[in-house]
Amino acid sequence: EAGVAQSPRYKIIEKRQSVAFWCNPISGHATLYWYQQILGQGPKLLIQFQNNGVVDDSQLPKDRFSAERLKGVDSTLKIQPAKLEDSAVYLCASSLAQWKNIQYFGAGTRLSVL
Amino acid sequence: EDQVTQSPEALRLQEGESSSLNCSYTVSGLRGLFWYRQDPGKGPEFLFTLYSAGEEKEKERLKATLTKKESFLHITAPKPEDSATYLCAVRARDDKIIFGKGTRLHILP
Repeated sequence: EAGVAQSPRYKIIEKRQSVAFWCNPISGHATLYWYQQILGQGPKLLIQFQNNGVVDDSQLPKDRFSAERLKGVDSTLKIQPAKLEDSAVYLCASSLAQWKNIQYFGAGTRLSVL
Repeated sequence: EDQVTQSPEALRLQEGESSSLNCSYTVSGLRGLFWYRQDPGKGPEFLFTLYSAGEEKEKERLKATLTKKESFLHITAPKPEDSATYLCAVRARDDKIIFGKGTRLHILP
């Protein structure tokens, strides 16, 4: 069974530039999550989708971050414009249903904002 | 405020030296406590879910336990391949999930 795929693995940009991350969840998984993991800290949930609807985006900085999940499968997370403090690893995870099910994580995208 | 605190931040053990990692939590209406393992450059990998005080789960050299205020991850006779960061997370009544900062475990051969 293929795991959660994320791209790119690494991205370096300058502050005020834009960046987008892509996630392809495990086939058949209805729930998709985006997390931000700053170095030395645990993952922080940014947004959760159930199929193509948003369930929780309370911790998403909506002035600069946006996310969509088209057709309830792939998802993209965008930052526009980026700030220095956005440097982190962005993790995508998916699960069969909501929280009760096991979350499977991708390898993440490491973003460096200079 | 819901909170998860893991200790110690880092732990170095000799191969075969058993120990425990702690996860203390304050959360309104615990709906699940999760342990994950994270290797450098990889995403977290699920280990265990615990739902109620007194519950225990085991997998190879790992055993997770849960009380009303904390969880322990016991590592028995660890091997170098057990070196990783171990993350604890809780799901609260409002379904929000909160991760701790993790414990970096290093097993010396």
